[in-house]
Amino acid sequence: GIQVEQSPPDLILQEGANSTLRCNFSDSVNNLQWFHQNPWGQLINLFYIPSGTKQNGRLSATTVATERYSLLYISSSQTTDSGVYFCGTDSWGKLQFGAGTQVVVTP
Amino acid sequence: GAVVSQHPSWVICKSGTSVKIECRSLDFQATTMFWYRQFPKQSLMLMATSNEGSKATYEQGVEKDKFLINHASLTLSTLTVTSAHPEDSSFYICSARDSTPSYNSPLHFGNGTRLTVT
Repeated sequence: GIQVEQSPPDLILQEGANSTLRCNFSDSVNNLQWFHQNPWGQLINLFYIPSGTKQNGRLSATTVATERYSLLYISSSQTTDSGVYFCGTDSWGKLQFGAGTQVVVTP
Repeated sequence: GAVVSQHPSWVICKSGTSVKIECRSLDFQATTMFWYRQFPKQSLMLMATSNEGSKATYEQGVEKDKFLINHASLTLSTLTVTSAHPEDSSFYICSARDSTPSYNSPLHFGNGTRLTVT
């Protein structure tokens, strides 16, 4: 199956800082999604982005499918951005997740 | 938007009993649903693919007799953890995508079920 690697594994940010999370994948994909998992375990779907660039408020994402990576940008981070960020990819319907990036935003 | 409802959100059961978890797509039909398991501080691991009207397909290392999956309709899949043991304690989460289109659409996730086996 597809291998998904996320970096960095941990990230500590001061409120207001910007950051970039990376997701590398081992094969061509039909689907790539970014999620934020809150402390209650709920997966919040941030972006469905198999290719191209999208923006939603302070978050944006870019996927370069030909080079097999995706980036999630967090700008002007807030304490509510804390949590684990996962990317998931698939080629034939079964989404495989990376190990996640644990983000802590300090006041 | 597409909503996946999962019930219960948490359950505590005694060792040796069985627990059923329901996953419903509320506003779309799903011929396929996926079940994941997540241990603390770890990522989500795909357990099985639930197929409406046919047998589920399980990932390597997942016991199909332990984790019974039934997908009886286009909006409901159930996962039954049989003869649960403490090592089955975990966070179980289901997902589905609208059947049309198929692969090129996002997966929607339920809110998960936290199972604790005592």
